[in-house]
Amino acid sequence: GAVVSQHPSWVICKSGTSVKIECRSLDFQATTMFWYRQFPKQSLMLMATSNEGSKATYEQGVEKDKFLINHASLTLSTLTVTSAHPEDSSFYICRAYGGTSATTDTQYFGPGTRLTVL
Amino acid sequence: GQQLNQSPQSMFIQEGEDVSMNCTSSSIFNTWLWYKQDPGEGPVLLIALYKAGELTSNGRLTAQFGITRKDSFLNISASIPSDVGIYFCAGQRGGSEKLVFGKGTKLTVNP
Repeated sequence: GAVVSQHPSWVICKSGTSVKIECRSLDFQATTMFWYRQFPKQSLMLMATSNEGSKATYEQGVEKDKFLINHASLTLSTLTVTSAHPEDSSFYICRAYGGTSATTDTQYFGPGTRLTVL
Repeated sequence: GQQLNQSPQSMFIQEGEDVSMNCTSSSIFNTWLWYKQDPGEGPVLLIALYKAGELTSNGRLTAQFGITRKDSFLNISASIPSDVGIYFCAGQRGGSEKLVFGKGTKLTVNP
């Protein structure tokens, strides 16, 4: 079946540094990539939506200058957390979406990236 | 952002028992999805529902898309220890690629 990968699976960084997380769709073309953040014992909260070749659309309350999203190809999207702070520590998950029909849509989540900011 | 009303929040059951959980919304969705998330991993799609009234099975799992398009339920029959995890419902509106999630149901199965 379709697979979406994320790299790295976990990362620990110092406060003030930037961290890049990659999301790849391995066997289908993802026209849209979604980025979610999940705090412990909570549900997934959508951060932003990105379409290949265009600027990402951010959800209300998400700082676009802090969470930089690039979707340069149909198989790769990156999320860069700039000047990370401890409150940015979370589980970041991407969802790759490709399709035009409700019954043939392909949409799969990545395995997630655990970010810990010291 | 909006979230679906998912219940129960948690369940503690014995192996072999059946499980039922549901999601409700104040607005209509065109697609209902059920996911399972294990600790430290991304959600995995269990069942997708595309039509009101649709009843779909995947092994021991059965899910239904409510007639009003405002609710869905997931049943797990004869639970086993590997069913442990957090189950999320998600709704998708027509013409939108976004998903609206429930808060999750944490399932614990005692052997």
